[in-house]
Amino acid sequence: NAGVTQTPKFQVLKTGQSMTLQCAQDMNHNSMYWYRQDPGMGLRLIYYSASEGTTDKGEVPNGYNVSRLNKREFSLRLESAAPSQTSVYFCASSRTSGNRETQYFGPGTRLLVL
Amino acid sequence: QKEVEQNSGPLSVPEGAIASLNCTYSDRGSQSFFWYRQYSGKSPELIMSIYSNGDKEDGRFTAQLNKASQYVSLLIRDSQPSDSATYLCAVRHWGGTSYGKLTFGQGTILTVHP
Repeated sequence: NAGVTQTPKFQVLKTGQSMTLQCAQDMNHNSMYWYRQDPGMGLRLIYYSASEGTTDKGEVPNGYNVSRLNKREFSLRLESAAPSQTSVYFCASSRTSGNRETQYFGPGTRLLVL
Repeated sequence: QKEVEQNSGPLSVPEGAIASLNCTYSDRGSQSFFWYRQYSGKSPELIMSIYSNGDKEDGRFTAQLNKASQYVSLLIRDSQPSDSATYLCAVRHWGGTSYGKLTFGQGTILTVHP
């Protein structure tokens, strides 16, 4: 099992460029998440998908869109990148059992917007 | 007021000592509590979860939860230099519009010195 994979690992964009961050999981999890992590801010939820075909906004959704392509894949798109979107992006997936949940994180994508 | 608060540290302890990490949360409806460890440049890794009041022990780690005081802590016994990392507290509210949402604290940097 590869767990949660993310591509690319690193990316440099110019202001106004667009790009899509890819995420895939092979653990048959229903829920998937996109977070960003900035120094001193912890992890902040951008979007999540509780199941295939559904997506919901998190804490900081502005400037992003997502697609839950199928059960395995959840992509994050920046339509017009801004320097404020420079961050480390983590994808996660989770298995929920009753009231329990375990989230597993991908290795992250480091994005620099110039 | 932040939903989940941690002392950002850094917390420095000598090798072999007990490291005590603290976290408070504001949402009384929170039902699931997690501690993640994150090494520099890596993704968060779940080390403990706790769902009911009291203590939960796993090897050198003990999580403590007090819902009345809205407080969760992590104790690391016999601290080792390899425990040096950022520790993230995460809290999940079950149900309603917050379903699937995990809220993270900003993390506490722990340094264990030989």
